Amino acid sequence: GENVEQHPSTLSVQEGDSAVIKCTYSDSASNYFPWYKQELGKRPQLIIDIRSNVGEKKDQRIAVTLNKTAKHFSLHITETQPEDSAVYFCAAISSGGYQKVTFGIGTKLQVIP
Amino acid sequence: ETGVTQSPTHLIKTRGQQVTLRCSSQSGHNTVSWYQQALGQGPQFIFQYYREEENGRGNFPPRFSGLQFPNYSSELNVNALELDDSALYLCASSLARQGGIGTEAFFGQGTRLTVV
Repeated sequence: GENVEQHPSTLSVQEGDSAVIKCTYSDSASNYFPWYKQELGKRPQLIIDIRSNVGEKKDQRIAVTLNKTAKHFSLHITETQPEDSAVYFCAAISSGGYQKVTFGIGTKLQVIP
Repeated sequence: ETGVTQSPTHLIKTRGQQVTLRCSSQSGHNTVSWYQQALGQGPQFIFQYYREEENGRGNFPPRFSGLQFPNYSSELNVNALELDDSALYLCASSLARQGGIGTEAFFGQGTRLTVV
């Protein structure tokens, strides 16, 4: 089955700096890669996603890159702000007989004011 | 806010009891997936329902079961509750097309289950 590895597990950055979270996946059938932000006690919220036919996608301060050959994808947050502090999960999704979602273990991001 | 709602939001049960959690999917979505999220962990896939049938299952025992109704809402049932079942249970709805590319999954707010 699919295996998604995510690192680092914790990340502290100074406000205004950039943060990068990396994930690798194992199933070449995975074709959709969403990123979720989960604040303490709240549901995961989709913040950005990328499909297998695209190499990079950007939405304001957030960008995601995908390298299908190497089977890895990354989340980049620029100009970090304290409200970016949360746990971020990557996921890999394949659609075959059903939509199978595998999450990474999460990265706890702390932005220090 | 997503259109995915879960009930109840919090629940306390005794070991050995049974529990039913509910999820209403976002309008237009036909698939509901259930996840167990232990404290400090990522969501773990329990199973998925597509068109009222279980359409995929993670590494959970048979005492975890579910249903999907014609309106695509869903229930998660857990029998013979164990202390380790204490977790946040999340459902996510999506629009799945067989053989097609994956689509966004939107999460409900979760049900916090505590087993004592």
